Amino acid sequence: QVQLVESGGGVVQPGRSLRLSCTASKFAFSNFAVFWVRQAPGKGLEWVADISPEGREKYHSDSVRGRFTISRDNSENTVYLEMKSLRSDDTAVYFCVREKRELRFAYYFDLWGQGTQVTVSS
Amino acid sequence: IQVTQSPSSLSASVGDRVSITCRATETTTTYLNWYQQKPGKAPELLIYGASTLHRGVPSRFSGSGSGTEFTLTITSLQPEDFATYYCQQSYDSPRTFGQGTRLDLK
Repeated sequence: QVQLVESGGGVVQPGRSLRLSCTASKFAFSNFAVFWVRQAPGKGLEWVADISPEGREKYHSDSVRGRFTISRDNSENTVYLEMKSLRSDDTAVYFCVREKRELRFAYYFDLWGQGTQVTVSS
Repeated sequence: IQVTQSPSSLSASVGDRVSITCRATETTTTYLNWYQQKPGKAPELLIYGASTLHRGVPSRFSGSGSGTEFTLTITSLQPEDFATYYCQQSYDSPRTFGQGTRLDLK
């Protein structure tokens, strides 16, 4: 079915690195911008990064810029989030999300992955 | 653009009508979406473009507003509606979410 599946989460020590993957199935992946959104324990939703359909435009939040890098491989239907210098406040569930764009009408997150847990702890 | 939801929590009973408000610091025209999240699950899209119901969403959910003020209304609450609700503006980057409104059973 149409879906996004995240992987790569886990428990990591502060200062270490981790790479998350998000693999798409059953839709034209290269037509969509993809976002990473995280949710710390008991908290709300926070945009982390996003990438344009062809991968030329990339944006990162202030809290992760310089430490996290988003990329994509459309031949593999996969988006990545490379996370370096991890801190305890990066602990969260990380969701991969597809943004649907209806020009001059609405842009919205219509497909979410199940999320992958990242825990930064010594 | 910052978005603020109110209230942050709400208690109601099955069958009640409830409304949640979302205010943006600048106009988002109608680029405003609503999501529902249940514990341990990913959020799900309810309403996009301020007032368009996503496919499969029951008609007891409705959205209204434009510019800087928006409302999500649920008429005749059902047991499965007790969850946390988020608004999100998609008019500008970065996409920003409200802080969430937790709706629980009175």
